Amino acid sequence: GAGVSQSPSNKVTEKGKDVELRCDPISGHTALYWYRQSLGQGLEFLIYFQGNSAPDKSGLPSDRFSAERTGGSVSTLTIQRTQQEDSAVYLCASSAMGQVQETQYFGPGTRLLVL
Amino acid sequence: AQSVTQLDSQVPVFEEAPVELRCNYSSSVSVYLFWYVQYPNQGLQLLLKYLSGSTLVESINGFEAEFNKSQTSFHLRKPSVHISDTAEYFCAVSSSGNTPLVFGKGTRLSVIA
Repeated sequence: GAGVSQSPSNKVTEKGKDVELRCDPISGHTALYWYRQSLGQGLEFLIYFQGNSAPDKSGLPSDRFSAERTGGSVSTLTIQRTQQEDSAVYLCASSAMGQVQETQYFGPGTRLLVL
Repeated sequence: AQSVTQLDSQVPVFEEAPVELRCNYSSSVSVYLFWYVQYPNQGLQLLLKYLSGSTLVESINGFEAEFNKSQTSFHLRKPSVHISDTAEYFCAVSSSGNTPLVFGKGTRLSVIA
């Protein structure tokens, strides 16, 4: 079946604008993760959805960042009032739920550039 | 809090030579350990993982990693590299099932012909 897909693949925006990034997880995967990959910072966890539980937002860098997951499937990461330091590749991953750590499958990412 | 240290940011190596990419983690509890690979202009792919059992795990393309609890390490090795192994390699850890991964900053492996 299809892997994790993300859109858009590239996004250029002006400082101060809002952006929405979309993630379509693998069908049947109940866990969904957002990470950010930036130069000098490596890969950082942002937010995590697990089934119907409240999301783990502990990695969000500021209140300008938010995410939702509708119907337990598609997720949207929203960045309000973008800043230049938000420029990065935003990665989405999904996994099944099991007794041990299930493999996280990553999408190709959205490359965000804030001018 | 967990952390992962990849000591080498870049590793150049000649084709057919052996390579070791180092990874150390800090955690006071049991861990699950992973190596992911990112080829140029591609997404992250799982290379291999340690969950339990044998401390030596292998990938289908000749890489192996050994979990060493006393040294808190999970170094990645390959006895003979190919040009196609040129990529960035990330070590990651989690302490319980189905939780976010903590990644190292990555090691860029460049294989030279």
